[in-house]
Amino acid sequence: GDSVTQMEGPVTLSEEAFLTINCTYTATGYPSLFWYVQYPGEGLQLLLKATKADDKGSNKGFEATYRKETTSFHLEKGSVQVSDSAVYFCALSSGTSYGKLTFGQGTILTVHP
Amino acid sequence: NAGVMQNPRHLVRRRGQEARLRCSPMKGHSHVYWYRQLPEEGLKFMVYLQKENIIDESGMPKERFSAEFPKEGPSILRIQQVVRGDSAAYFCASSPSGGASSYEQYFGPGTRLTVT
Repeated sequence: GDSVTQMEGPVTLSEEAFLTINCTYTATGYPSLFWYVQYPGEGLQLLLKATKADDKGSNKGFEATYRKETTSFHLEKGSVQVSDSAVYFCALSSGTSYGKLTFGQGTILTVHP
Repeated sequence: NAGVMQNPRHLVRRRGQEARLRCSPMKGHSHVYWYRQLPEEGLKFMVYLQKENIIDESGMPKERFSAEFPKEGPSILRIQQVVRGDSAAYFCASSPSGGASSYEQYFGPGTRLTVT
């Protein structure tokens, strides 16, 4: 079945540091890939997505590229801010699943001033 | 343009009681998904509904859990005879279209259920 594996957290960085959160997946067919962010006490917000191989999703300085050959969708940001502190979830939706999302376990990011 | 609304935000039930969680999708959305987030875990799919139809309930526990999305009104996730293991955050998401992997889902703030 479908699965998503994220790097273990928590991740602690200083402001303006470079961020990478690894995400790999297993899926049937050609899934769409997503990164969601969850701020404390809130629901999930879509951060970016990619629907086919080699697509790059980007938003608010975050980027992720859909790598079919390595089944990966790593999240990157060149310079993090304190306001980026949150939980980040990688997710996929495969064509055989009626659009339901399969999530990774989440990575807690804390950015210090 | 109101987002996905869920209520209550926090719900406390004693073991054996019923919990009823409500979700109003975004305006114009007719597809609703429910997910459960257990402590220290990611979100797990429970059920996918369209108006008056359950499309995929492969993630629903076999007993005590049910969901509906009537023609009028919010989607309801019902948990009968709650047990401590049901304590979790329950998230609803809506989508303008469904059944395809590329469509975005918009999430509500969640209902945090605590069973005492």
